[in-house]
Amino acid sequence: EAQLVQSGAEVKKPGESLTISCKGSGYSFTSYWIGWVRQMPGKGLEWVGTIYPGDSDTRYSPSFQGQVTISADKSISTAYLQWSSLKASDTAMYFCARLGTAGDFLDHWGQGTLVTVSS
Amino acid sequence: DIVMTQSPDSLAESLGERATINCKSSQSVLYSSNNKNYLAWYQQKPGQPPKLLIYWASTRESGVPDRFSGSGSGTDFTLTISSLQAEDVAVYYCHQYYSTPYTFGQGTKLEIK
Repeated sequence: EAQLVQSGAEVKKPGESLTISCKGSGYSFTSYWIGWVRQMPGKGLEWVGTIYPGDSDTRYSPSFQGQVTISADKSISTAYLQWSSLKASDTAMYFCARLGTAGDFLDHWGQGTLVTVSS
Repeated sequence: DIVMTQSPDSLAESLGERATINCKSSQSVLYSSNNKNYLAWYQQKPGQPPKLLIYWASTRESGVPDRFSGSGSGTDFTLTISSLQAEDVAVYYCHQYYSTPYTFGQGTKLEIK
């Protein structure tokens, strides 16, 4: 059974950098796109971007382009979401999820990583 | 961007009753070459990640109870829970994966009356 396990909660200050991770298991990690989804406190779901670990092809939602960096290390079946300079408005739960083979619906989800940015 | 609008924002029904959630897209998510609607539904319970219920607008994910069904085509879609159970209390989201950036509806909160 496919499983995605994310890194733990983070508390950071504005301006700091951060990388969170998402480790896949139970399936061929290089054969499926991984997506990142943001959920701000008490709000809905927003598409951040996707990566294909097989060749690191990466796509960003225009709202997040230039604000975050998505990467992957296929040798350890792990995808990453990175910020170079956090803002208070980055405070949210971030989910990684696997995209389906036949269509880009999200069929397996990580448990989420809560990122809190506060001075 | 395709805007997804769900109705209602919240809903309260009695146990055993039918619950219906609607989702409207600002443009068609039906791909004519394969006649598939690029529309999914997710369930999110408090403190949990979303869970895929339905994809291609009406295909139930493996393991999802058959009281959940999806219908609709083009721009108008419906998620129906035929007989509401206590464990169905959650927020439900529709999602279009027809064109990037992929977008979600704002969510519908389902409670027991």
